[in-house]
Amino acid sequence: GDSVTQMEGPVTLSEEAFLTINCTYTATGYPSLFWYVQYPGEGLQLLLKATKADDKGSNKGFEATYRKETTSFHLEKGSVQVSDSAVYFCALNYGGSQGNLIFGKGTKLSVKP
Amino acid sequence: DGGITQSPKYLFRKEGQNVTLSCEQNLNHDAMYWYRQDPGQGLRLIYYSQIVNDFQKGDIAEGYSVSREKKESFPLTVTSAQKNPTAFYLCATLAGGSYNEQFFGPGTRLTVL
Repeated sequence: GDSVTQMEGPVTLSEEAFLTINCTYTATGYPSLFWYVQYPGEGLQLLLKATKADDKGSNKGFEATYRKETTSFHLEKGSVQVSDSAVYFCALNYGGSQGNLIFGKGTKLSVKP
Repeated sequence: DGGITQSPKYLFRKEGQNVTLSCEQNLNHDAMYWYRQDPGQGLRLIYYSQIVNDFQKGDIAEGYSVSREKKESFPLTVTSAQKNPTAFYLCATLAGGSYNEQFFGPGTRLTVL
């Protein structure tokens, strides 16, 4: 079945460091891909998305490119801030009437000042 | 102020008791979802509903029940049959159409003593 695999956390970085969180997926069709962020004690917020191959999603300095050839959707940010400390989830769905999301296990990011 | 409301934020129950978690939305979205989140496990789908008076089991429906009598409301009952009910529960809605974006509530942390 379809699945999403994220790099294991936690990830600890110093402020202004470069961030990469790897995400790969297995899918039988052509899903949409998402990154969600969860701040402590809160629900999830959509960070960015891409709906087809070679699309780049971007938001708040974060970027991810839908790579069909490597089945990947890695999250990157050039300079992280303490306020970026959160858990990041990669997810996919096929949309349509269901829209059921398949999530990775999440990667916890801690940014130190 | 549009959004998804989950109440209460923290809920404590004794073992063997049923408990109902509330989820209300004013986004006018047709589809609603319940997820369970455990540490290091990502999110797992419990139940979802695409339309009023209809719902489907997700991956981990055993020990849970839902109803969808109104478009705005999708309550989740955690029954005494659920072996490990202590978790963080998240409700979500689907924007639908070409977006496929899910919107999440703030979550309810249930602790069974």
